[in-house]
Amino acid sequence: EAGVAQSPRYKIIEKRQSVAFWCNPISGHATLYWYQQILGQGPKLLIQFQNNGVVDDSQLPKDRFSAERLKGVDSTLKIQPAKLEDSAVYLCASSLMGSGYGYTFGSGTRLTVV
Amino acid sequence: QQQVKQSPQSLIVQKGGISIINCAYENTAFDYFPWYQQFPGKGPALLIAIRPDVSEKKEGRFTISFNKSAKQFSLHIMDSQPGDSATYFCAASSSGAGSYQLTFGKGTKLSVIP
Repeated sequence: EAGVAQSPRYKIIEKRQSVAFWCNPISGHATLYWYQQILGQGPKLLIQFQNNGVVDDSQLPKDRFSAERLKGVDSTLKIQPAKLEDSAVYLCASSLMGSGYGYTFGSGTRLTVV
Repeated sequence: QQQVKQSPQSLIVQKGGISIINCAYENTAFDYFPWYQQFPGKGPALLIAIRPDVSEKKEGRFTISFNKSAKQFSLHIMDSQPGDSATYFCAASSSGAGSYQLTFGKGTKLSVIP
């Protein structure tokens, strides 16, 4: 079974620039999550999708972050404009709908804002 | 998000020894408690998980002990090996409405020395 694919693996941008991350979940996984992992900390949930609908985006800084999931499959997370404190690894995870089973993380995108 | 407190922050264990990592939670609505293992440059990978209807779960060298009244759970790694050297995260979620939004501890960096 193919895992959760994320790209790019690394990204370095200057503050106030924009950046986008892409995630392709495991086939058949209706639920998709984006987490932010700051160095030395555990992942923190940003947004959860069920198919192409948002279940919870209460922790997404909506003034600069946006996310979408087209056709209930791939998802993109965008930051515009980036701040220094956005430097982190952005992890995508997916699971079967309504279940914790098969909850799988991708390898993440490491973002450095300079 | 309710907090999950994890200790110790780092742990050094000799090969063949027992590694013990502890977590405590506050939210009594949590009903799913997984442990994740993360290697550098990789996303977290599920090790073992427990639900509050049992007090212990064992899978190979990994055991979760769960104390519902104290709102604590711990991971025991028996016969620790150098290949176990990684960062371990406890997490918790409420499975209500099938959301499985994970709240993570801050992680424990385990080093197993030969």
